[in-house]
Amino acid sequence: DADVTQTPRNRITKTGKRIMLECSQTKGHDRMYWYRQDPGLGLRLIYYSFDVKDINKGEISDGYSVSRQAQAKFSLSLESAIPNQTALYFCATSDLGGLNTDTQYFGPGTRLTVL
Amino acid sequence: AQTVTQSQPEMSVQEAETVTLSCTYDTSENNYYLFWYKQPPSRQMILVIRQEAYKQQNATENRFSVNFQKAAKSFSLKISDSQLGDTAMYFCAFTTNSGNTPLVFGKGTRLSVIA
Repeated sequence: DADVTQTPRNRITKTGKRIMLECSQTKGHDRMYWYRQDPGLGLRLIYYSFDVKDINKGEISDGYSVSRQAQAKFSLSLESAIPNQTALYFCATSDLGGLNTDTQYFGPGTRLTVL
Repeated sequence: AQTVTQSQPEMSVQEAETVTLSCTYDTSENNYYLFWYKQPPSRQMILVIRQEAYKQQNATENRFSVNFQKAAKSFSLKISDSQLGDTAMYFCAFTTNSGNTPLVFGKGTRLSVIA
């Protein structure tokens, strides 16, 4: 009964291809995030959205774009994939207010390999 | 800008022993939240514990507790009675309670629990 799901879980693609990673949540949270994880670098923020009409760049947004199709859906696109975008990608959600305000809940991750 | 530093890239502990993971952060804010996340080999990011800066009492969750020293900007995680299942990467994270800033993560500490 995963509250935050990501598809695909694993993907291998070639340089120059367009690829989309999708994230869905059933937590009813307004806020959604995309992170990238590389060994030794921790998690770095790519884009985030505080509501359906709000999109913000994170630390490393170059080469990526996002779409917030609905409160529950937030997709990440690589317009023209390159090998250094090979990484583990996480989607996360959070809410503002309540006992767990600002606590982020993560999806299972997508392992992306760009050849 | 807020930063989070985890100075121990790797640690190990014997099963049933206690281990402490260090985290320091830098901020000019007075109200904020601190988190520890666990990432086991399954790669799922799991919330371990959450601390609100305005609370002087240290947060605890079963075998996990924190030592929050606001003046020193230190937020260490203590794991008591270590179990093999505690083997994981541990990430410290910070956000302000303004509601407008995403999480900032440290680079992680890899903990190995040895039988």
